[in-house]
Amino acid sequence: AQKVTQAQTEISVVEKEDVTLDCVYETRDTTYYLFWYKQPPSGELVFLIRRNSFDEQNEISGRYSWNFQKSTSSFNFTITASQVVDSAVYFCALSETTDSWGKLQFGAGTQVVVTP
Amino acid sequence: NAGVMQNPRHLVRRRGQEARLRCSPMKGHSHVYWYRQLPEEGLKFMVYLQKENIIDESGMPKERFSAEFPKEGPSILRIQQVVRGDSAAYFCASSQLGTGGDSNTEAFFGQGTRLTVV
Repeated sequence: AQKVTQAQTEISVVEKEDVTLDCVYETRDTTYYLFWYKQPPSGELVFLIRRNSFDEQNEISGRYSWNFQKSTSSFNFTITASQVVDSAVYFCALSETTDSWGKLQFGAGTQVVVTP
Repeated sequence: NAGVMQNPRHLVRRRGQEARLRCSPMKGHSHVYWYRQLPEEGLKFMVYLQKENIIDESGMPKERFSAEFPKEGPSILRIQQVVRGDSAAYFCASSQLGTGGDSNTEAFFGQGTRLTVV
C-alpha cells in the first residue's frame, strides 16, 4: 500500500501565482518524519524541509511554507509568488521510526511548471 | 566536508553488460542507502548497508542486482546483464546513524548516477 500520496501529477502556474502541493501520508507509527525534496531539471535532489510528528507548527522559509496537520495526515507545501526557477518535481517523503534514518518512502512527485 | 559522492554521473551500457555504480558516503557516515528512480516516477528504496553488512534489502530485485559496502572504499551497486528496463537514475544516501539519535540525524543524498541501457 502506498504510504505517501501526491495526488497532483502536474501543476502549471504563471509567475507570481501561489502554488500548493498536497501530500497525504499513512503510518501507524506515533513518531515519524516527513520531508520535502525538490528535483530540478538537472536531476539532483535538493532537501527542503524535515518535520517530526510531534511538531505541528507551520513553518515558513522565504517564499516556502508548510502546513502539517496530523488530524488529516497531510503535509502540504506552498510556494508563494512562484518564479520560473521553482519549476521542478517536488517529492514528499516519510520516514518511520521503525525504519532506519535513510529509508524514506517517497511519493510519486508533483511536477511544477512556472511560466513567465 | 564533501557531500555524498556518486560516480559516474552518467553511465551507458549495452544490454547484457555489467553496470557498477559507486557511492562514497559523507565523512563519518557508516550507513548507506541506494534508491532507484525510474522515468516519471518517485524514488524507490532498494537496499540499506552498513560497513560489510547488508541490513535491509527489501527493495532489491531478486536477480542481477547486488550491493556491497566494504570495510574500505565506496559502496558499490552492481547490476549484471543489464536490460533496457534498468535504465534509471540511481541515488545513494548516507547517514551517521542507522536508527535512534535525535532529530538532527538525517540522510544526505548524492547527485545520482543516470544509467542508460542501449
